[in-house]
Amino acid sequence: EIVLTQSPGTLSLSPGERAILSCRASQTITNSYLAWFQQKPGQAPRLLIYAASSRASGIPDRFTGSGSGTDFTLTISRLEPEDSAVYYCQQYGSSPRMFGQGTKVEL
Amino acid sequence: VQLVESGGGLVQPGGSLRLSCVASGFTFSSYSMNWVRQAPGKGLEWVSHISSSSSTIHYADSVKGRFTISRDNAKKSLYLQMNSLRAEDTAVYYCTRLPHDYWGQGSLVTVSS
Repeated sequence: EIVLTQSPGTLSLSPGERAILSCRASQTITNSYLAWFQQKPGQAPRLLIYAASSRASGIPDRFTGSGSGTDFTLTISRLEPEDSAVYYCQQYGSSPRMFGQGTKVEL
Repeated sequence: VQLVESGGGLVQPGGSLRLSCVASGFTFSSYSMNWVRQAPGKGLEWVSHISSSSSTIHYADSVKGRFTISRDNAKKSLYLQMNSLRAEDTAVYYCTRLPHDYWGQGSLVTVSS
C-alpha cells in the first residue's frame, strides 16, 4: 500500500502569507492521482485539488496543487482567515486509497 | 447534488449495522462511490470503493471480511453492511461521490457496551 506523509503537522501563519503543504508518497502515485481536501471542524471535507493540479469547481485560484511521482505540494497564496482548517492529501491511483495524516493550518 | 446518510447509531461490540446513502441531483448510476470514515478527533480513513456497475469493489484492510459495500442504482442508494463491529470502528461515516467532489453530512456509528 502507498503511505502518504504530510508535513508539517501544523502551520501557524498570518493572513496574507503563503502556506506550503507537503505530501510525500512511499511509492509513485499512478497518473498523479492525488487529491487535496480542506476540512473545518464539524464539516465534511471539501475537495480542493484533484489529479495533483486541477482545481475543483468553485475553488479560488489562491489554492494551487503541484507535483508528480512521489512528491506533491499544496500552496495557498495570500492566506485568508477562512483558510484555517486541516488539509488532507489522498491518493486514488491504487487501492487502498490512503489519506495522509493531515496538516493543520492556523491563522 | 445531495447525499444523505442514515442508519448510524449505538451498537454493542460484535454487533451489526447497515448504513445507507441516498443520492439525488445527479445520475447516480454513472458514478463510483466510496465510504470514508473519521474517528473522533482523528484524520480521514478510506473504507471502501464500489464502481458504477458494482463490478469493482475494494476495502481497507481494517474492515475487509467484516464490511460489505453495495449499491442499488434503481434506488439511487449506496449501502455499507457492517458486521462484527469493534470499538475502533466508532466514527462518522461519510458517503462520497468520486472524485470526492460531493460528500454526505456523515452518520455517526458508536460501538460500545
